Amino acid sequence: GQQVMQIPQYQHVQEGEDFTTYCNSSTTLSNIQWYKQRPGGHPVFLIQLVKSGEVKKQKRLTFQFGEAKKNSSLHITATQTTDVGTYFCAGRDSGGGADGLTFGKGTHLIIQP
Amino acid sequence: EAGVAQSPRYKIIEKRQSVAFWCNPISGHATLYWYQQILGQGPKLLIQFQNNGVVDDSQLPKDRFSAERLKGVDSTLKIQPAKLEDSAVYLCASSLSGWGYEQYFGPGTRLTVT
Repeated sequence: GQQVMQIPQYQHVQEGEDFTTYCNSSTTLSNIQWYKQRPGGHPVFLIQLVKSGEVKKQKRLTFQFGEAKKNSSLHITATQTTDVGTYFCAGRDSGGGADGLTFGKGTHLIIQP
Repeated sequence: EAGVAQSPRYKIIEKRQSVAFWCNPISGHATLYWYQQILGQGPKLLIQFQNNGVVDDSQLPKDRFSAERLKGVDSTLKIQPAKLEDSAVYLCASSLSGWGYEQYFGPGTRLTVT
């Protein structure tokens, strides 16, 4: 079945440093979504990417979808303590079959002031 | 706009007992999802409903898990009998319609099986 892998699993940064998490799928995706989960909270939608090579920005966050639609990345510039949490990517196999999203295991972002 | 509601928030049961979770999605959302999130992992889709029909239940352990969405609104997820490995947070989410829309998650039910 479809697998979605994220690296790194944990990332420690100093406040103000940049952060990047990478997402790789074993199959071509029809779309990819990114979610953020604060400690003790539930996942909250950040963005959806659909087109090959798509790049979207939200303030300090930049999201990219690979040309082959099998990988994606999230980059945060100048991290702040409010960025703490786990970032998940979730994708749907473009080959049909299951309709639901497959989530990666997430990247835990830890920020040291 | 009210969010996705879930109850109970916490539940502790012994193995082999049964348990049920309830979810009320955002009004007007046709699609409802149940996920299992084990500590340190991403949410795993158990079942997806479109209105009151099942779209995907390929990862639902059907020998012990069951779910229904009566009248295409509220949903319940049941585990009978529970096993130790069922300890997890059970998240309900809803979306306007299907996989192309953002999913709104509820606060989850933390289940501990002893």
